Amino acid sequence: NAGVTQTPKFQVLKTGQSMTLQCAQDMNHEYMSWYRQDPGMGLRLIHYSVGAGITDQGEVPNGYNVSRSTTEDFPLRLLSAAPSQTSVYFCASSYPTGEGQETQYFGPGTRLLVL
Amino acid sequence: AQSVAQPEDQVNVAEGNPLTVKCTYSVSGNPYLFWYVQYPNRGLQFLLKYITGDNLVKGSYGFEAEFNKSQTSFHLKKPSALVSDSALYFCAVRDKNTDKLIFGTGTRLQVFP
Repeated sequence: NAGVTQTPKFQVLKTGQSMTLQCAQDMNHEYMSWYRQDPGMGLRLIHYSVGAGITDQGEVPNGYNVSRSTTEDFPLRLLSAAPSQTSVYFCASSYPTGEGQETQYFGPGTRLLVL
Repeated sequence: AQSVAQPEDQVNVAEGNPLTVKCTYSVSGNPYLFWYVQYPNRGLQFLLKYITGDNLVKGSYGFEAEFNKSQTSFHLKKPSALVSDSALYFCAVRDKNTDKLIFGTGTRLQVFP
């Protein structure tokens, strides 16, 4: 299994540009989520999904959109990038219930710089 | 609201010495607690978790954590630190209603040779 994969690894955007951060997992996990990591603030939840067709907001959803058309993919869209969105973004997935539910598997991250 | 706190931004320890990385929590009901580790330029990796049962939880790479309900703590420990343990460590608590993981701000562990 490839686990959780993210593309791109690094991206530079200009203010106002849009882009999509890709996330895919091949573990048939129902639960997927997006976090951003900023110095001194730990990881903050942006959006999450408990299954295909279902998404919900996390702690810091403003400026980001998500969709979940398949179990495998959970893209994160920035419609109009702002310098405040400069961060490292992590995608994670886990089983929905039962043993293993609580353990999240993280992708390698996407480093985004907005100028 | 459920939360975790990691009071130390950085912990320095000499190789071979025991290490402790502190975590305290604030939750309603029984907590589900986790430790994750992040090596440079990598995603987070699961270390261990406490769901129920024994207060001493053993995890990967020789790490263990002790759940202390009276002190609302879940400190990460290792009897003998390695230079390769140097990384960023995150404590987290799971919100049982939403499955959301709430992370602490992280503690950087530096192990010196």
